[in-house]
Amino acid sequence: NAGVMQNPRHLVRRRGQEARLRCSPMKGHSHVYWYRQLPEEGLKFMVYLQKENIIDESGMPKERFSAEFPKEGPSILRIQQVVRGDSAAYFCASSPSTGGVSQETQYFGPGTRLLVL
Amino acid sequence: AQTVTQSQPEMSVQEAETVTLSCTYDTSESDYYLFWYKQPPSRQMILVIRQEAYKQQNATENRFSVNFQKAAKSFSLKISDSQLGDAAMYFCAYRSARTSGSRLTFGEGTQLTVNP
Repeated sequence: NAGVMQNPRHLVRRRGQEARLRCSPMKGHSHVYWYRQLPEEGLKFMVYLQKENIIDESGMPKERFSAEFPKEGPSILRIQQVVRGDSAAYFCASSPSTGGVSQETQYFGPGTRLLVL
Repeated sequence: AQTVTQSQPEMSVQEAETVTLSCTYDTSESDYYLFWYKQPPSRQMILVIRQEAYKQQNATENRFSVNFQKAAKSFSLKISDSQLGDAAMYFCAYRSARTSGSRLTFGEGTQLTVNP
């Protein structure tokens, strides 16, 4: 059973470019979370999605950041017009559900390291 | 809002010995989950152990066990018979049970070094 997949593992962008980070949850998981880890810090919640729905985006910056989890395909975290402060590791996690209710344990992908030059 | 505090930025232990990592949290809720995650140099986040707040019995997973003190809002991790592969950053995390799909709130981490 494959774990949570993220790609790319490393991404380099110049200021002003767009970054697209992809996450495929574990098989059977329909709940996806995105977290950001700045250098030397813990992980901070950004957004929680279910298929075709954003459930909680209270941790996401209001501008330049967006996320989606379409009916088919991976979840996408999109950062427009990147700035140096966006350099971080971005982790995706997924959780299983029973009857549509998310279970408590989240399983993490390997992360995408974004470097903005 | 819930907060998680790890007061030990760094800890070290000799191989085969025991070490305890501290974690405290602040919440007004009575039902929640607590987790310890390990982040080795590969930066992958690996679940080590979890505890349900409604359970009085402390969770155990092989060499890893917790000391959960609900009244004190304390959740420490004990690693017995430490191995070189245990060297990593360890994060304590909190999740509310009140709503489905609640976020994880992480502490700032404790960097564990295992000395041969």
